[in-house]
Amino acid sequence: DAKTTQPTSMDCAEGRAANLPCNHSTISGNEYVYWYRQIHSQGPQYIIHGLKNNETNEMASLIITEDRKSSTLILPHATLRDTAVYYCIVRVDRSNFGNEKLTFGTGTRLTIIP
Amino acid sequence: GAVVSQHPSWVICKSGTSVKIECRSLDFQATTMFWYRQFPKQSLMLMATSNEGSKATYEQGVEKDKFLINHASLTLSTLTVTSAHPEDSSFYICSATDLSGANVLTFGAGSRLTVL
Repeated sequence: DAKTTQPTSMDCAEGRAANLPCNHSTISGNEYVYWYRQIHSQGPQYIIHGLKNNETNEMASLIITEDRKSSTLILPHATLRDTAVYYCIVRVDRSNFGNEKLTFGTGTRLTIIP
Repeated sequence: GAVVSQHPSWVICKSGTSVKIECRSLDFQATTMFWYRQFPKQSLMLMATSNEGSKATYEQGVEKDKFLINHASLTLSTLTVTSAHPEDSSFYICSATDLSGANVLTFGAGSRLTVL
């Protein structure tokens, strides 16, 4: 699976949009971009994933560049509860996903400032 | 959505004793579950892949005789830390995928082990 690069930490004001970047310049054509977050002392929580089109769900939006070498996770109106470590992971989305592990990098520690 | 439950959420034990951590998939079956370990201020590291009805697959550097994994049913995997020592103190997290649902890897809330 392709390697990802994320900033170590970021701050964002409460109520503003939090934009978390991720570089994955070696991504292959069949690899998806997944985002998870981990709030302190909890298990990781799935946020969103995508292949090449932009995606949006109730939690966030995922913007993937046309060349797919980078992406941005957007939390539209950050709250204090969004303070967490955010992980960007690239992997092949095979049909037997249940048998495929996820490899975590160091992630971005996002702090929402009141 | 899919829920993965872990028990206990925290445990304290004496050095030399064994501790069992349970991971259950609620309302879905999981032929495969993953066990991760996380030390303070570090990322998650995969320890092993638990396969229902067969032996677990361990990552390089993880002692299979120390971290016993049993996946006896489609909804339960257990991790037993045998002869625990203080250096085994960590946050242990399991995960599984509901292939009939959203098909994303779902994580349990984690189990914090402290070995005195």
